[in-house]
Amino acid sequence: GAGVSQSPSNKVTEKGKDVELRCDPISGHTALYWYRQSLGQGLEFLIYFQGNSAPDKSGLPSDRFSAERTGGSVSTLTIQRTQQEDSAVYLCASSTYLGGVSDEQFFGPGTRLTVL
Amino acid sequence: AQSVAQPEDQVNVAEGNPLTVKCTYSVSGNPYLFWYVQYPNRGLQFLLKYITGDNLVKGSYGFEAEFNKSQTSFHLKKPSALVSDSALYFCAVRDSNYQLIWGAGTKLIIKP
Repeated sequence: GAGVSQSPSNKVTEKGKDVELRCDPISGHTALYWYRQSLGQGLEFLIYFQGNSAPDKSGLPSDRFSAERTGGSVSTLTIQRTQQEDSAVYLCASSTYLGGVSDEQFFGPGTRLTVL
Repeated sequence: AQSVAQPEDQVNVAEGNPLTVKCTYSVSGNPYLFWYVQYPNRGLQFLLKYITGDNLVKGSYGFEAEFNKSQTSFHLKKPSALVSDSALYFCAVRDSNYQLIWGAGTKLIIKP
């Protein structure tokens, strides 16, 4: 596709349930990022994938959060045993990776997660 | 420590007036700086970036930003604001791990 896509666009779940959020990056982009944005707030980095390298998981807030990227393309962010504080918009972005050259990130529309 | 600061939570400007959204940064080495915009209920969109060269960078929707190395600033500007410019603006700097460090965002409100 032309841009980064995310699904679902909205997800309402009950506390304690697991959820999976999907990101389909721009074709050819080797770098993929997950962020979390609470209402009207800034971006909180969660995890970063670059090619076949081990992901940078330094931003994951707890062990309930995990992510994988299959075949260097589609990524899934999984939140286990959701809590109300997990409610936020989850944003995915992708970019080219050019070593020493700056690379802008292209964002998807986000998934709005509401935990009741 | 590497960081980005947007000192204003909100900026109010009358339509037709010039606008400035402030950003300062702290990063080791040469900074790669970005501005993004987030319109209501939409994803973030890239506006412009500074890598090297001319300190005045022009971007989308008539926006520009001025890189000032001595003041470690990268303020976003537009000569004449439009109501449609009302949005949330984020400044970011790339760190040594090729990740972006984000400012907290500034809400820009343009009043007719």
